[in-house]
Amino acid sequence: GDSVTQMEGPVTLSEEAFLTINCTYTATGYPSLFWYVQYPGEGLQLLLKATKADDKGSNKGFEATYRKETTSFHLEKGSVQVSDSAVYFCALSFSPGGYNKLIFGAGTRLAVHP
Amino acid sequence: EPEVTQTPSHQVTQMGQEVILRCVPISNHLYFYWYRQILGQKVEFLVSFYNNEISEKSEIFDDQFSVERPDGSNFTLKIRSTKLEDSAMYFCASNRGAKAGYTFGSGTRLTVV
Repeated sequence: GDSVTQMEGPVTLSEEAFLTINCTYTATGYPSLFWYVQYPGEGLQLLLKATKADDKGSNKGFEATYRKETTSFHLEKGSVQVSDSAVYFCALSFSPGGYNKLIFGAGTRLAVHP
Repeated sequence: EPEVTQTPSHQVTQMGQEVILRCVPISNHLYFYWYRQILGQKVEFLVSFYNNEISEKSEIFDDQFSVERPDGSNFTLKIRSTKLEDSAMYFCASNRGAKAGYTFGSGTRLTVV
């Protein structure tokens, strides 16, 4: 079935370090891909999305490129801040707007230290 | 910015009891969802709701579960007879439809004892 696999956490970085969180997917069709972030005590917030191959989603310095050939959607940020500490979820959906169900990865906890 | 509101934030209930988790989606949204996350595990889809009926449900969403939009603003998830394994964080979400992202609530942590 359709699934999303993320690298296991926690990921611990120093402030201003480069971040990569790997995400790969298995899907029978051509899904849209998403990154959601969950800050402590809060709900899931959409961080960025891409709806077709080679699209790059970006927001708040984060970016991810939809790679159909490697079925990947890795999250990157050039210089992390302490405020980026959160859990990051990769997800897929078969609707461009995501109004069909989302299938989530297990989440990756990021801890950024000063 | 509009929010999806969930209440309560934390509920403790005894096994076998009924619980109702409440959500107020964003007012102009048309699609409503419940997801759950068992501690340390993935966020899992439970059910989607559109035009006053269930549009899709997962195998998790068995006869113990039901959803309702009783008054045009609230969206509820009822678990009729809770089990220990129902302990999880339950997230409500809504969106307007195609090309619109989800807005999630902050979740209700349900603990069944």
